[in-house]
Amino acid sequence: DQQVKQNSPSLSVQEGRISILNCDYTNSMFDYFLWYKKYPAEGPTFLISISSIKDKNEDGRFTVFLNKSAKHLSLHIVPSQPGDSAVYFCAASSGTYKYIFGTGTRLKVLA
Amino acid sequence: DAGVIQSPRHEVTEMGQEVTLRCKPISGHDYLFWYRQTMMRGLELLIYFNNNVPIDDSGMPEDRFSAKMPNASFSTLKIQPSEPRDSAVYFCASSLSNSPLHFGNGTRLTVT
Repeated sequence: DQQVKQNSPSLSVQEGRISILNCDYTNSMFDYFLWYKKYPAEGPTFLISISSIKDKNEDGRFTVFLNKSAKHLSLHIVPSQPGDSAVYFCAASSGTYKYIFGTGTRLKVLA
Repeated sequence: DAGVIQSPRHEVTEMGQEVTLRCKPISGHDYLFWYRQTMMRGLELLIYFNNNVPIDDSGMPEDRFSAKMPNASFSTLKIQPSEPRDSAVYFCASSLSNSPLHFGNGTRLTVT
């Protein structure tokens, strides 16, 4: 049973445009959410996080939105750059250090 | 800081053999995690430790899998006997309390 779902395995976006990556979760006890970026042959690296007491968190070109009623979060990258091409994982936890990850979305930013 | 160090980077072994994966966490981090990445299931949490003590091993798939953390700077994940379906990339990660995980570069395991 996949508690964190990333239903789009891949996404292609033109350089300079907005990339929107989506993530859905089923466990209403999740209260902390993170996004990680992964390049080939490397481990995932932390990108941005959000607590359930907020609905938006912004860090430079990256913004995460949380819709608790819909159990949905999204990552917006504006403007997208070729170096953003990677696999993006969302993750969630419920007050513990047991982070549950999704299956990932491969983003390709076209120059 | 050297980051989380995993060895080996690649491991190819035959079915039935014992496999040991190693991890050195970031110095000072008190949490250590083992994850497995597959195409179908993404990143699955296998087990995590706090101050060298296993806290949750509910993700360990079978008794063939075991993990130890004898001290704050070293952990192992052992598979005995290995099977082809264990082929995956295994990641170790460490963190401080209330901080994001820092991952190593993973060990790609192939069991033939």
